[in-house]
Amino acid sequence: DGGITQSPKYLFRKEGQNVTLSCEQNLNHDAMYWYRQDPGQGLRLIYYSQIVNDFQKGDIAEGYSVSREKKESFPLTVTSAQKNPTAFYLCASSINGANVLTFGAGSRLTVL
Amino acid sequence: GENVEQHPSTLSVQEGDSAVIKCTYSDSASNYFPWYKQELGKRPQLIIDIRSNVGEKKDQRIAVTLNKTAKHFSLHITETQPEDSAVYFCAASRGGGSQGNLIFGKGTKLSVKP
Repeated sequence: DGGITQSPKYLFRKEGQNVTLSCEQNLNHDAMYWYRQDPGQGLRLIYYSQIVNDFQKGDIAEGYSVSREKKESFPLTVTSAQKNPTAFYLCASSINGANVLTFGAGSRLTVL
Repeated sequence: GENVEQHPSTLSVQEGDSAVIKCTYSDSASNYFPWYKQELGKRPQLIIDIRSNVGEKKDQRIAVTLNKTAKHFSLHITETQPEDSAVYFCAASRGGGSQGNLIFGKGTKLSVKP
């Protein structure tokens, strides 16, 4: 899967529940990113991390949290504070100092 | 804030015709402009990119042009084929940095009719 694995592929959540999306890469990339995709909205940056134990908010970070304890892993938690969490979530990675993104296959979250 | 405008939102062409998608960006410090193709239910895949020190780049049937003065760039696909049908996204780097922090356009759904 191009070196980036996202799981689960599909996830259903009840309102008020937190859910964590997994993203693992074996490309030895330093930087990792989470983007949200909604129909007709393009891709919007949620969080990104350029180095272990450090991360920055993107354009739509409210209601989300991340951690970067290992270089290979960048999980995203969608909290109950996110008012409209139903979306397609894409994880990506890149070599630090380079712009080229490699994307995972995505996780589709549906809130019931 | 910074943004990228992409037009048209949908484009339908006959097989063999050319397709052109245009984007404008607001951040004059942007220096990297990739184009991604996303087939239905799949991940975006980089198809071509251009940096600000180049005005045009070609790869077989695909070309990208950049006008830094006007802050716009375009994707040109010649001799379109049904397998070119997909959603295409343009993007621009945020600021002048080299990290992969990109601002994406809203996408163009290209349909190529046989």
